[in-house]
Amino acid sequence: NAGVTQTPKFQVLKTGQSMTLQCAQDMNHEYMSWYRQDPGMGLRLIHYSVGAGITDQGEVPNGYNVSRSTTEDFPLRLLSAAPSQTSVYFCASSYGASRSYNEQFFGPGTRLTVL
Amino acid sequence: GQNIDQPTEMTATEGAIVQINCTYQTSGFNGLFWYQQHAGEAPTFLSYNVLDGLEEKGRFSSFLSRSKGYSYLLLKELQMKDSASYLCAEDPPIGNTPLVFGKGTRLSVIA
Repeated sequence: NAGVTQTPKFQVLKTGQSMTLQCAQDMNHEYMSWYRQDPGMGLRLIHYSVGAGITDQGEVPNGYNVSRSTTEDFPLRLLSAAPSQTSVYFCASSYGASRSYNEQFFGPGTRLTVL
Repeated sequence: GQNIDQPTEMTATEGAIVQINCTYQTSGFNGLFWYQQHAGEAPTFLSYNVLDGLEEKGRFSSFLSRSKGYSYLLLKELQMKDSASYLCAEDPPIGNTPLVFGKGTRLSVIA
């Protein structure tokens, strides 16, 4: 199993550009999430999904969109990039309701810089 | 993460024991996780406590006290490779929501 994969690993954008960060998992996990990690701020939840077709907002959703058309994929879209979105983005997945606890498996991260 | 409190940084000597504390304010949750994150890498699972008490896994142990609202991670026989950030995370009581992370404790192990 590849686990949780993310592309690209690094990205530089100009203010106002849009892009999609890709995330895929091959573990048949129900739940998938996007976090951003900034120095001194820890991991903050952007959006999450408890199954295909179902998404919800986390702590810091503004400026980001998600969709979950398949179990495997959970892309994160930046609509109009801003310097405040410079961060490291982690995608995570977990088994969901089928397990007694919610251990999350993380992808390697995407390092995004917005100029 | 605003309900979870951890020290920002700690330094310890190789071969020593270090305890990283985590306090929280949530009244009910499924359990508490500890993750390890090396610089530039993704977090990886270390331990999960659902019942009060100590869970031992080799050099690492994790403790939970629900009545006192705190947990700790105990690292024994410290090695240089243990230099990393350690993240405490709640498994929320609403089963469908993802983990809520503290800001993490950056541990530096020195010779």
